[in-house]
Amino acid sequence: NAGVTQTPKFQVLKTGQSMTLQCAQDMNHEYMSWYRQDPGMGLRLIHYSVGAGITDQGEVPNGYNVSRSTTEDFPLRLLSAAPSQTSVYFCASSSGRGTGINQPQHFGDGTRLSIL
Amino acid sequence: QQPVQSPQAVILREGEDAVINCSSSKALYSVHWYRQKHGEAPVFLMILLKGGEQKGHEKISASFNEKKQQSSLYLTASQLSYSGTYFCGTENYGGSQGNLIFGKGTKLSVKP
Repeated sequence: NAGVTQTPKFQVLKTGQSMTLQCAQDMNHEYMSWYRQDPGMGLRLIHYSVGAGITDQGEVPNGYNVSRSTTEDFPLRLLSAAPSQTSVYFCASSSGRGTGINQPQHFGDGTRLSIL
Repeated sequence: QQPVQSPQAVILREGEDAVINCSSSKALYSVHWYRQKHGEAPVFLMILLKGGEQKGHEKISASFNEKKQQSSLYLTASQLSYSGTYFCGTENYGGSQGNLIFGKGTKLSVKP
């Protein structure tokens, strides 16, 4: 059981380049989220999804796009990378009964992204 | 709206107790607690769903005061392995489903 898998683990980009961070889960979870973590800022929610075909913006969505065509995958796209997007990115998934996240969130190992 | 955690950091000796607080300006549906060690992903500790409910996990327990929109994490007889950064995550009533917002974290250091 792989859980939540993120690729790549490390990436260096130049300003203006685009890329996609991959996230896949094999637990059939409805909820998936992307967070970025910067020193002293905690985990900030970028985008989230409550099921295939449904996505919504979190706290810091600017500069990022997401889509959820299948239950398993939730890729995060950086359209035009900026140095301010240098961060550690975590993908998470959870199941829910009824309304809300009432089960643990499972986190991937993270992607460490540097924008030069 | 990001929940507020206090204190920002705490240093303990092995065997001492600590309390970490988490408060929100909005009514809470649930409160989650996670611990993260340096260079690793956050790891789930517990979820509190009902007002006033207290849950336990070994020597770590938590309470949830729905009226005060607050939760507290209690670490008793701390061990070296408790070191790390603790995050609370909140899901608010009236907000979008599946939207878990985390605080900035509390860094806990346990010394021998």
